[in-house]
Amino acid sequence: ETGVTQSPTHLIKTRGQQVTLRCSSQSGHNTVSWYQQALGQGPQFIFQYYREEENGRGNFPPRFSGLQFPNYSSELNVNALELDDSALYLCASSRTGLNSPLHFGNGTRLTVT
Amino acid sequence: GQQLNQSPQSMFIQEGEDVSMNCTSSSIFNTWLWYKQEPGEGPVLLIALYKAGELTSNGRLTAQFGITRKDSFLNISASIPSDVGIYFCAGRRETSGSRLTFGEGTQLTVNP
Repeated sequence: ETGVTQSPTHLIKTRGQQVTLRCSSQSGHNTVSWYQQALGQGPQFIFQYYREEENGRGNFPPRFSGLQFPNYSSELNVNALELDDSALYLCASSRTGLNSPLHFGNGTRLTVT
Repeated sequence: GQQLNQSPQSMFIQEGEDVSMNCTSSSIFNTWLWYKQEPGEGPVLLIALYKAGELTSNGRLTAQFGITRKDSFLNISASIPSDVGIYFCAGRRETSGSRLTFGEGTQLTVNP
């Protein structure tokens, strides 16, 4: 069983640029969610996707957007990057249902200079 | 954003000692989860708890879902050096899909 994979592992961008992060969900999982983890903190929920639509969002501005594809893989896009966007971005996948635990990828480390 | 209150923030222990950490919230969760994160990796699920009062073990790890549904604890018995890492609690509500609310983490250091 293949786990959650994310690419790239590291990325350096300049303030004002745009970035796209990618995630392949674990096989058999149809729900994908994205989290931002600042240094020394717990992950913060950005949004989740199910059936290719966003169906839950945390306290993040509209310049954070995403996509889910028919094969359940997903992208996170961030426009107009700010220095505070520097963080580890984690993708998690699960089946639907409250008792289906989330499995995380190893994340993309984004540095904005 | 809202986070759970997790304590202690860090622990320095000797190999073989037992460890206890806990998480509290001002609101109810329907599921409590405990994750471990090591440098350069994502959080790995250790234990999931689905019912108030539930006590679940996974090897040397034991976790409980508080009766009030507002708290949980994790115990690690007979710690070993590979237990080093950051432990996070996370709560999940029935109405919020895959949205987890995380604690701030407990950094565990085990001295051989």
